[in-house]
Amino acid sequence: AAGVIQSPRHLIKEKRETATLKCYPIPRHDTVYWYQQGPGQDPQFLISFYEKMQSDKGSIPDRFSAQQFSDYHSELNMSSLELGDSALYFCASSLGGGNGYTFGSGTRLTVV
Amino acid sequence: TQLLEQSPQFLSIQEGENLTVYCNSSSVFSSLQWYRQEPGEGPVLLVTVVTGGEVKKLKRLTFQFGDARKDSSLHITAAQPGDTGLYLCAAGTYKYIFGTGTRLKVLA
Repeated sequence: AAGVIQSPRHLIKEKRETATLKCYPIPRHDTVYWYQQGPGQDPQFLISFYEKMQSDKGSIPDRFSAQQFSDYHSELNMSSLELGDSALYFCASSLGGGNGYTFGSGTRLTVV
Repeated sequence: TQLLEQSPQFLSIQEGENLTVYCNSSSVFSSLQWYRQEPGEGPVLLVTVVTGGEVKKLKRLTFQFGDARKDSSLHITAAQPGDTGLYLCAAGTYKYIFGTGTRLKVLA
């Protein structure tokens, strides 16, 4: 069965650079979520999209933006990267709410 | 403020032992999920519970949703080294909040 695909798996950037993370949800899933997970921490909600429209916003810095495209893939754009942005970034998709998410394998971002 | 508190935070047990992990909140949720996460990987959904008092079993794992839908427990019978990982509860309707996590290590 198709899963949530994230790319790249690993990314190393320097401070003040930009990064773009991509997410391809499970076909026919209508909602995409982005989470950030720091070392030893639980995932923190960043932003979500329902049918290509932003549906909810969490603790996403103003330096970050995201969008969902017509083919339902989503991109998380991160600018002016800081050392503290180093984390695992997960994308998840679901069909409707309350049914649980399917997570991708994540992108490990390291800012040096 | 963390809405979902998990306990214990860390647990190291011997293979064959039983254990229970708790997820507690002061809020009422329409549904609650349990996930298991291995290092460097995304969380994997184990179960969703929606009805107060509901009990679901997944092989050696038993999940219970509290009658008031504010808390949940995960019980593992005869733990195996393959059960090692981070166990996360999550709740919400469209935006899930994750619990503080329980790091389980099962020693052979």
